[in-house]
Amino acid sequence: GQNIDQPTEMTATEGAIVQINCTYQTSGFNGLFWYQQHAGEAPTFLSYNVLDGLEEKGRFSSFLSRSKGYSYLLLKELQMKDSASYLCAVRDQYGGATNKLIFGTGTLLAVQP
Amino acid sequence: DVKVTQSSRYLVKRTGEKVFLECVQDMDHENMFWYRQDPGLGLRLIYFSYDVKMKEKGDIPEGYSVSREKKERFSLILESASTNQTSMYLCASKLGGAQGYTFGSGTRLTVV
Repeated sequence: GQNIDQPTEMTATEGAIVQINCTYQTSGFNGLFWYQQHAGEAPTFLSYNVLDGLEEKGRFSSFLSRSKGYSYLLLKELQMKDSASYLCAVRDQYGGATNKLIFGTGTLLAVQP
Repeated sequence: DVKVTQSSRYLVKRTGEKVFLECVQDMDHENMFWYRQDPGLGLRLIYFSYDVKMKEKGDIPEGYSVSREKKERFSLILESASTNQTSMYLCASKLGGAQGYTFGSGTRLTVV
């Protein structure tokens, strides 16, 4: 079956660092995505990992371990505007027609002053 | 800037009505998707399309159908709306290959 797990909620302080974990069990794997979604808005793309290791993009970094079925999103120097849901998603096929994303339920991050 | 446009932000429909949700993208993307998003359940794939007139069922296709007559437009159809179809509906598109999705702003549908 397809399963993607992430914590439901997290709280962190402005200026701090927070790590949001995601574990997955899927029938196939061709990349892991992180999206940010503010309340009432569409998800927006944050990062993409297909090989093991860390991808850094400004204040946001994402890590992948394919052997462990594990990823995390690291947010540094937290700002109030980072309060949002963070969605982990796995692409389950190599290219072709059925290259769809499977989403976790999302982690609601609250950044406090 | 690339865009995925959903025709309505909010909709209220009656039980039993036929409902059309429209999605248009201006990026010449091959792949288009319809998801619904519910609290505690995340985004669940209803249908997707990888080419004009091509469609495939996602994880929860029951009660829905789709139409893709032109590359830029992907329509979701609720044949006979029911209260359990009250949800946020999100359309997305992408190029082939290792690309992320671009999402529309969503349509919050309430069936009464």
